[in-house]
Amino acid sequence: DAKTTQPNSMESNEEEPVHLPCNHSTISGTDYIHWYRQLPSQGPEYVIHGLTSNVNNRMASLAIAEDRKSSTLILHRATLRDAAVYYCIHNAGGTSYGKLTFGQGTILTVHP
Amino acid sequence: DTAVSQTPKYLVTQMGNDKSIKCEQNLGHDTMYWYKQDSKKFLKIMFSYNNKELIINETVPNRFSPKSPDKAHLNLHINSLELGDSAVYFCASRPAGGAEAFFGQGTRLTVV
Repeated sequence: DAKTTQPNSMESNEEEPVHLPCNHSTISGTDYIHWYRQLPSQGPEYVIHGLTSNVNNRMASLAIAEDRKSSTLILHRATLRDAAVYYCIHNAGGTSYGKLTFGQGTILTVHP
Repeated sequence: DTAVSQTPKYLVTQMGNDKSIKCEQNLGHDTMYWYKQDSKKFLKIMFSYNNKELIINETVPNRFSPKSPDKAHLNLHINSLELGDSAVYFCASRPAGGAEAFFGQGTRLTVV
């Protein structure tokens, strides 16, 4: 199974940027890096994904290291609603039915 | 409109009973999944179906039988329920060639 390593927990203050790291040293050349988050009592929610280049969307930015062995999810201004478990996953490209293997994730706490 | 809907949301039942959880997606996606989230919050894939065909079966006990009557539905039937089956079960769907998976709100199964 594809393996990623993330810190167990991180804390942030509201309105400040948050950088959530992920190591994926066994990633293969065609694996995409995905980030999902799970808010309390809800199902996981897609955040962002990328292959090699940095990516931005309305929720977050994804910075991918040049060797692709690590990536960082950036929340530009954390809000209380961003408190969740954040999962970094790498998934075989080209197979939409490939499984998303979730690790333990990072519990993000946002302080008012 | 809920994209991926599961019923019931809560299910309490006795050991040894047989129960079903239903999942429907109105997104036109080809691929559907079942995930189990245990008390330690670890999300583990159980099954994946692509166009009504079983693609992934993650060594789940054969008491668990998924059924996909059509592309929009993936139901989960569980026979002879055991205490260890207590968990939150999530259904998800994903489009062909797509990265973003959509998850349902989960079904909390409690076996007493």
